[in-house]
Amino acid sequence: AQSVTQLDSHVSVSEGTPVLLRCNYSSSYSPSLFWYVQHPNKGLQLLLKYTSAATLVKGINGFEAEFKKSETSFHLTKPSAHMSDAAEYFCVVSGHNFNKFYFGSGTKLNVKP
Amino acid sequence: DTAVSQTPKYLVTQMGNDKSIKCEQNLGHDTMYWYKQDSKKFLKIMFSYNNKELIINETVPNRFSPKSPDKAHLNLHINSLELGDSAVYFCASSQGTSLAADTQYFGPGTRLTVL
Repeated sequence: AQSVTQLDSHVSVSEGTPVLLRCNYSSSYSPSLFWYVQHPNKGLQLLLKYTSAATLVKGINGFEAEFKKSETSFHLTKPSAHMSDAAEYFCVVSGHNFNKFYFGSGTKLNVKP
Repeated sequence: DTAVSQTPKYLVTQMGNDKSIKCEQNLGHDTMYWYKQDSKKFLKIMFSYNNKELIINETVPNRFSPKSPDKAHLNLHINSLELGDSAVYFCASSQGTSLAADTQYFGPGTRLTVL
């Protein structure tokens, strides 16, 4: 069975400081992992995805995530936060047949000026 | 220039009513989906259509019936609404049918509240 745990429901950083959003997954198979972002009143937007290629995945808007099998983690990072990064972020693992999306409970990122 | 749009954005209704949620995508994608996001924010797929044909039908009550008049539209009709149907419903689309290979584009969601 697949599942995702986002370790922090809220993260607050100052503009210009690094961002770390933590995600641990559980999967019976080699997983495909994703990070999505949702801005208020907007749809979910794909930031990046890991599908068994390079373990360090670069996404849009300067975000990247590293797949660590030994730690079953897929943490999202960004070197320098911008005010426009304030949103809710979801870590996602797909099912074995890639026909299901298991979303984490989300992490709300607050960026202070 | 909205890619995936849903209407209505909010829907408040009484138990036992029948309601529909509409979804449209202007991306030219072949595949569309409906997801349910419950109070714990786990998004689970309900249905998937590819070129108007049903390809995924998860174990949802048969009170839920998707309808795809063309590949740009996938509507969700719900009969005899129950309290447990309250959730946010997301529509999505992708070019192909692989959730791993094909990027999904999501709509803004429809918040359904059943009283």
